[in-house]
Amino acid sequence: DTGVSQNPRHKITKRGQNVTFRCDPISEHNRLYWYRQTLGQGPEFLTYFQNEAQLEKSRLLSDRFSAERPKGSFSTLEIQRTEQGDSAMYLCASSPQTGNQPQHFGDGTRLSIL
Amino acid sequence: AQSVSQHNHHVILSEAASLELGCNYSYGGTVNLFWYVQYPGQHLQLLLKYFSGDPLVKGIKGFEAEFIKSKFSFNLRKPSVQWSDTAEYFCAVRRETSYDKVIFGPGTSLSVIP
Repeated sequence: DTGVSQNPRHKITKRGQNVTFRCDPISEHNRLYWYRQTLGQGPEFLTYFQNEAQLEKSRLLSDRFSAERPKGSFSTLEIQRTEQGDSAMYLCASSPQTGNQPQHFGDGTRLSIL
Repeated sequence: AQSVSQHNHHVILSEAASLELGCNYSYGGTVNLFWYVQYPGQHLQLLLKYFSGDPLVKGIKGFEAEFIKSKFSFNLRKPSVQWSDTAEYFCAVRRETSYDKVIFGPGTSLSVIP
């Protein structure tokens, strides 16, 4: 399967700890997106990369959040000093650069803050 | 700012009943429109999309949607639902000239009773 891959699938941590998630997009997809989804809500946009450049960040992405895509392939999303409100499903999506294409989503990483 | 509303939070139908899920968006420019489905325990999957042309678009699994520009609507329909259609359905919009974020609605949970 060459879909979007996210690791880990589930992360449980204590409040105040740092966590890092990884996303491997579909091969050759230049565009990569992070979203957050809480229970009963649709996904909310967090940030977007085109190759290694981070082109847009949502106001939802506080200074405790940082995302990188150093080589334009996989991406990481780090949350520092986690809070209860960070508990959510973190989704990654990718799309090709050419043309007007829909985004393909991974299975997500579910973060639970104790 | 763009936003998406979905008319129903939870819909319960019997098998073979017809389905229509309402979706309205707010954005004055040209948009791309999507319906995504999330089956229990699975990732978001694209059901259908509208970019341009015929406002009646057909997707997978017998779903279709109609774009009515004057009403800013993109309602999803299926003439006869099956138990396997039980899932969460998300309407989404993206500015045509932008390849960044997709704005999702809050979702409609569909339960189909055998």
